[in-house]
Amino acid sequence: EAGVTQFPSHSVIEKGQTVTLRCDPISGHDNLYWYRRVMGKEIKFLLHFVKESKQDESGMPNNRFLAERTGGTYSTLKVQPAELEDSGVYFCASSQVNNEQFFGPGTRLTVL
Amino acid sequence: DAKTTQPTSMDCAEGRAANLPCNHSTISGNEYVYWYRQIHSQGPQYIIHGLKNNETNEMASLIITEDRKSSTLILPHATLRDTAVYYCIVRVVYQGGKLIFGQGTELSVKP
Repeated sequence: EAGVTQFPSHSVIEKGQTVTLRCDPISGHDNLYWYRRVMGKEIKFLLHFVKESKQDESGMPNNRFLAERTGGTYSTLKVQPAELEDSGVYFCASSQVNNEQFFGPGTRLTVL
Repeated sequence: DAKTTQPTSMDCAEGRAANLPCNHSTISGNEYVYWYRQIHSQGPQYIIHGLKNNETNEMASLIITEDRKSSTLILPHATLRDTAVYYCIVRVVYQGGKLIFGQGTELSVKP
């Protein structure tokens, strides 16, 4: 069974540009989560989808971040426009209902 | 904010048991104790979870005190590949639910 995959693995962009991160959850997992770790800080929750619906987006830092999960399969997280403080590692995780979360390898975003 | 406290770092000799403590004195009756770990540059990995009974799987054992205010993760025979940051997380299990990560314990397994 394939695990959670994320694309790209690394992204380097300039301040003001747009970046879109993609997450493909484990097949059959209705729950999809986004987390991130910025330099020197703890891993922080961003948001949670149940199928295509946003269940909890309390961790989204501001309106420059937009997450979508059309059709309840893969998800994208767009940052527009990117700022220096957005640099970090963005993790995606998926789970079945009430089960443990399986994490992807992360996307390392560097904003210059 | 994380609802758990863990030592910042620990060392363990290869082949010996690693015992990682966690305090969660404000845990609620409907909250489970979860353990994850993050090996350098990888995504967090689920290890084990429990409510009030001790649990064991192929990776580790989880010992929860009777009052549920603390727990210990036991890696019975630590290897160099167990070097990682270990996170103790309390979480209500409903339809999904976010994980709140603290600083974790950086475990170094030494030869």
